[in-house]
Formats: sequence, C-alpha cells, structure tokens
Amino acid sequence: GNSVTQMEGPVTLSEEAFLTINCTYTATGYPSLFWYVQYPGEGLQLLLKATKADDKGSNKGFEATYRKETTSFHLEKGSVQVSDSAVYFCALQPSSNTGKLIFGQGTTLQVKP
Amino acid sequence: DADVTQTPRNRITKTGKRIMLECSQTKGHDRMYWYRQDPGLGLQLIYYSFDVKDINKGEISDGYSVSRQAQAKFSLSLESAIPNQTALYFCATSDSPFEQFFGPGTRLTVL
Repeated sequence: GNSVTQMEGPVTLSEEAFLTINCTYTATGYPSLFWYVQYPGEGLQLLLKATKADDKGSNKGFEATYRKETTSFHLEKGSVQVSDSAVYFCALQPSSNTGKLIFGQGTTLQVKP
Repeated sequence: DADVTQTPRNRITKTGKRIMLECSQTKGHDRMYWYRQDPGLGLQLIYYSFDVKDINKGEISDGYSVSRQAQAKFSLSLESAIPNQTALYFCATSDSPFEQFFGPGTRLTVL
C-alpha cells in the first residue's frame, strides 16, 4: 500500500540553524510528492512539490529532492527564521487522476530567537 | 475574503447528535475534499467529489456522509456523533492534481 513516514517531532532550533525534516514513502508506481505547511490556527498550504524522480522542489528557501532510490523526500532549509515555526506535512499522491493525497503524521518545528 | 470557508469553526456536541459541517469555496474549483486531522496521525481522507454528481469514499468514510449541493458547496454530516470522531476537520479544493487549497478547519468535540 501507499504510506508516508516523517521524523518524529517536535523539532526545536535556534534562528539561523540548518533544518532537515526526514520523509520516506512507500508507493506503487510513480507518485508525486509534496510538502505542506500548517501555521498555527490555519489550514494547510502547499510549500513545494516534485512530480518525478530527481526533481527538486523549492520555495521560500526550502528545498526537497525526490529520491526514488531511497524513497525519500527530505525537507531542508539553510537558515530558519522564527516565522518558519509551524507543522510540516509530507504527502504523496499515488495517481494524478483522483488528486488524493496521503499524508505523513506531521512534524512540529519551533524556532527560537 | 477567504477562498475556502468552513462553518462552524468550533463545535461541541453530545454523543448521538447529528452534526453538519459546511464548506464553501469561491475559487471555482470542481474538486472538493474532506479530511480529518488527529494528533500524531496527519490528515486522513473522508470523502471527495469531482463535481455535483460525483461523490467518492476516502479511507475513513464509515460514520460520515456528504452532500455536494453546488459546485461551491460540500457538506460533511455525522449522522450520530461518537466521541472518537472528535478531531479537526478540513475541507480542501483543487482544479489540478498538484495543489489543494485548504480551509481553516472546524474543531469538533463530541462528549
């Protein structure tokens, strides 16, 4: 079946630290991969995506590379800010026909000044 | 104004009551989705719809029903609420496979 596993949180970092949030997946075929972010009290927003192997998604200083050989899509940012504090969800889309998303459990990031 | 709105934002109810959560969107999207979010479990798909005549079950549809009254409106009902349906519920819309737009969520507590 299809599933997504994220690293356990919460992750607490100081401002300007390097961020990595691990995400691995299990899927049949060739899924698309996503990172969504949820700020406090809000719904989820798409952060970045990759639709095929070796694609790199990037947005707002965040990056993630679709690694089919390791079935991973780790999220990275070189220098986090307090405003990056949020919950981050990795997700996969098994087929573009339905648009259905399968989410990981989410990782809470807290950035301290 | 928000593109995807949900009402109510918070609701406390009792076991056995019927509850309806409503979602409206102004984005003109055909696809609409209902998810529930539980701590430590991420989001799980309840139902999804591609147009007013197309309704599909997601992974956890038992105990829920939906109605697509118009392109812009998609309601989720709990016919007889139970405590383990206490969760945060999100509606989402899309017009392509690659991005969904989420509402702010409804926090439901079943006592």
